[in-house]
Amino acid sequence: QQQVKQSPQSLIVQKGGISIINCAYENTAFDYFPWYQQFPGKGPALLIAIRPDVSEKKEGRFTISFNKSAKQFSLHIMDSQPGDSATYFCAASNPQFYFGTGTSLTVIP
Amino acid sequence: NAGVTQTPKFQVLKTGQSMTLQCAQDMNHNSMYWYRQDPGMGLRLIYYSASEGTTDKGEVPNGYNVSRLNKREFSLRLESAAPSQTSVYFCASSEFYGFGEKLFFGSGTQLSVL
Repeated sequence: QQQVKQSPQSLIVQKGGISIINCAYENTAFDYFPWYQQFPGKGPALLIAIRPDVSEKKEGRFTISFNKSAKQFSLHIMDSQPGDSATYFCAASNPQFYFGTGTSLTVIP
Repeated sequence: NAGVTQTPKFQVLKTGQSMTLQCAQDMNHNSMYWYRQDPGMGLRLIYYSASEGTTDKGEVPNGYNVSRLNKREFSLRLESAAPSQTSVYFCASSEFYGFGEKLFFGSGTQLSVL
């Protein structure tokens, strides 16, 4: 059973647009929610993370929105660039990590 | 600074063959992990080691064994490979960076079992 559900599976966005990826979880014991970015042929790398005591965290063009009551969190990429084209994984930790199924983002010029 | 190094990068096995995937990290991390990545399944934890001398099962340990040889090295062994073990395998190590645990991944091993 998938502990963390991620959508959409793939996403195509125009350059300059906003990319939004959503994740949901059931286990309220999760206390750390990172997002990882993976380029083809590489391992995933930490992009941004949030803890459930805040509703939003922003780092540059990347923002996590967190809704504790709904048990949902999302990644927003503002002003999306072709260099953002990658696969994005959400995860939840308690402390073992459980990853979502991934979203393949393509940003077209 | 190499980070997490995995070998080999590619491997083709026949059903029933055995092999060991090697992993080493040079960041002095205590915790190390083996994940497998499959299309539509994300990353799933096979085994992890919280410190030298300890190993624990993750979500999908069946068909695998691990050895934490020392603080730097964590190997994954397939004793009798099966087609269901065709996957991309990632080794990782981690450190607490003040906010949470940060995973550092190797570049992966693409394994095909025929």
